[in-house]
Amino acid sequence: DTGVSQDPRHKITKRGQNVTFRCDPISEHNRLYWYRQTLGQGPEFLTYFQNEAQLEKSRLLSDRFSAERPKGSFSTLEIQRTEQGDSAMYLCASSSRATDYTDTQYFGPGTRLTVL
Amino acid sequence: GNSVTQMEGPVTLSEEAFLTINCTYTATGYPSLFWYVQYPGEGLQLLLKATKADDKGSNKGFEATYRKETTSFHLEKGSVQVSDSAVYFCALTAGGYQKVTFGTGTKLQVIP
Repeated sequence: DTGVSQDPRHKITKRGQNVTFRCDPISEHNRLYWYRQTLGQGPEFLTYFQNEAQLEKSRLLSDRFSAERPKGSFSTLEIQRTEQGDSAMYLCASSSRATDYTDTQYFGPGTRLTVL
Repeated sequence: GNSVTQMEGPVTLSEEAFLTINCTYTATGYPSLFWYVQYPGEGLQLLLKATKADDKGSNKGFEATYRKETTSFHLEKGSVQVSDSAVYFCALTAGGYQKVTFGTGTKLQVIP
């Protein structure tokens, strides 16, 4: 198992541009999560999918943010009209209650976004 | 709501010193407790976990015991190495919510 992967690892964009990040979870995991981490802080929850259904969204996820998981496998997180305040590390995690009753989340390496 | 409070860093220790990083929590129901570690420029790695009171999680020489009476989950290691330098996050899941609630992290620097 190769773990959770994220692409790209780094993204630099200009304010107002749209960006899209991809997450590939651990293959047998049906649950997928997105978090945002700013410098010096712990990660903050953004949203959660079980299979292809988006079951929970944080108030942090403004209407400029959208996440999808169309076939219940990989997921994308899109930010429209980026702002400097969106600069952060975006982390993806996955889990499976079927294979681990504790439903422990395993994290990817993250995508670091810098908005100029 | 759920919350995690951990000691502020940075913590600087000499190699082979004893490490304690304090963590206390507030949660609904019976939380599962975790320590994650983040090395420079990398994502989070699960270090250890405990899912019920008095459980002890352990990995790579690190230990933490789930103390329900004091709502604590302190991280300890008997002899730290330079390679343990990283940021350590205490975290929990609870109340039927899927999200992980993290503390703010404690940066550990181990000097030779």
